[in-house]
Amino acid sequence: SQTIHQWPATLVQPVGSPLSLECTVEGTSNPNLYWYRQAAGRGLQLLFYSVGIGQISSEVPQNLSASRPQDRQFILSSKKLLLSDSGFYLCAWSPRQGARGYTFGSGTRLTVV
Amino acid sequence: KQEVTQIPAALSVPEGENLVLNCSFTDSAIYNLQWFRQDPGKGLTSLLLIQSSQREQTSGRLNASLDKSSGRSTLYIAASQPGDSATYLCAVRYGGATNKLIFGTGTLLAVQP
Repeated sequence: SQTIHQWPATLVQPVGSPLSLECTVEGTSNPNLYWYRQAAGRGLQLLFYSVGIGQISSEVPQNLSASRPQDRQFILSSKKLLLSDSGFYLCAWSPRQGARGYTFGSGTRLTVV
Repeated sequence: KQEVTQIPAALSVPEGENLVLNCSFTDSAIYNLQWFRQDPGKGLTSLLLIQSSQREQTSGRLNASLDKSSGRSTLYIAASQPGDSATYLCAVRYGGATNKLIFGTGTLLAVQP
């Protein structure tokens, strides 16, 4: 069966510090991968998606970047965090082909102080 | 612009009641629609997935319907229980290689014992 792992679960970082959140998928190959952010009191916003290794598309201009060094690994990064980067970050995957839905990870709560 | 709206934003019901959550989308050319549940501070759990060719899907006490022509979906919860308390999110997937989901802002459900 397919599983998705996301870590860390919580993170408190000072303004200006770097960020690296990791997401891995098991039990499937060639997945589409996604990073979403959920800010307090707001809906889910798609940040990045990837349809293959090294292929990253950004949905909104921001202080963050994403990378996909391996087929089932998706990393969200920042060189210098801003207060506004605080939020709940969710990784998700969907099959490249077929009609199956999305599966989400358990999320990372990021607080920038 | 493709938008997804959920009403009501919040709902409080006594235990045992049947209830309906509503989701509407502006672009009816959907690929599929997915209902999720989110507990506080947690990731998203998929409840039901309805393909564009389907009218409804059922899982236990949950039933989701889809009316593409009117741009609407409903999630029916029978005999509600306190454990059903959570935020319910509707998400619409449109065609294309990226399989991006567009989320509604959710309905916060509280089932009172």
